[in-house]
Amino acid sequence: AQTVTQSQPEMSVQEAETVTLSCTYDTSESDYYLFWYKQPPSRQMILVIRQEAYKQQNATENRFSVNFQKAAKSFSLKISDSQLGDAAMYFCAYPQGAQKLVFGQGTRLTINP
Amino acid sequence: NAGVMQNPRHLVRRRGQEARLRCSPMKGHSHVYWYRQLPEEGLKFMVYLQKENIIDESGMPKERFSAEFPKEGPSILRIQQVVRGDSAAYFCASSSTGGFYEQYFGPGTRLTVT
Repeated sequence: AQTVTQSQPEMSVQEAETVTLSCTYDTSESDYYLFWYKQPPSRQMILVIRQEAYKQQNATENRFSVNFQKAAKSFSLKISDSQLGDAAMYFCAYPQGAQKLVFGQGTRLTINP
Repeated sequence: NAGVMQNPRHLVRRRGQEARLRCSPMKGHSHVYWYRQLPEEGLKFMVYLQKENIIDESGMPKERFSAEFPKEGPSILRIQQVVRGDSAAYFCASSSTGGFYEQYFGPGTRLTVT
């Protein structure tokens, strides 16, 4: 079965500093997407960033970037210049069978002022 | 440009009652997915529907749960004879096509069974 693993249940970072959230996944497919979603206390799931596996270039969205290591099946999220509004649960997700998203267990990120 | 709409946002049911959760996808989206999130866990896939068709229901419990996405109107997730273990947040997502395209999530319905 394809799985997504987030090994850090909780992380904390000082405001304005950089933090990296880890994610590994298991798949036999060669072409796929990977996603990071943010879930703030409102519980709304918000898409943060998307990576296409066939692209070697790491995706970047403003302060958010990924380190995608296809051979290692690793997909980490880097948040630069952390802000108080970044505090949330972060979920890594992989579309199994190109349809249903398989989510990791989540990492709770705390921003210390 | 409204996003994915879910209602109600909060639903309280007594054991044995029925729960009906509604989801209106984003405009132009014809693919709907339902996920369940238990406390302190990630989201778990339940069912994938297109208009009038269930494409994948591999994550649905075999009994008491059903889903539909009629030609007109919202998608409905129905839970009959609810039990305490059904208490969770239920999220609906939609996409313009199936496949790799990102899914946009609604705000969720928090079901509490007393």
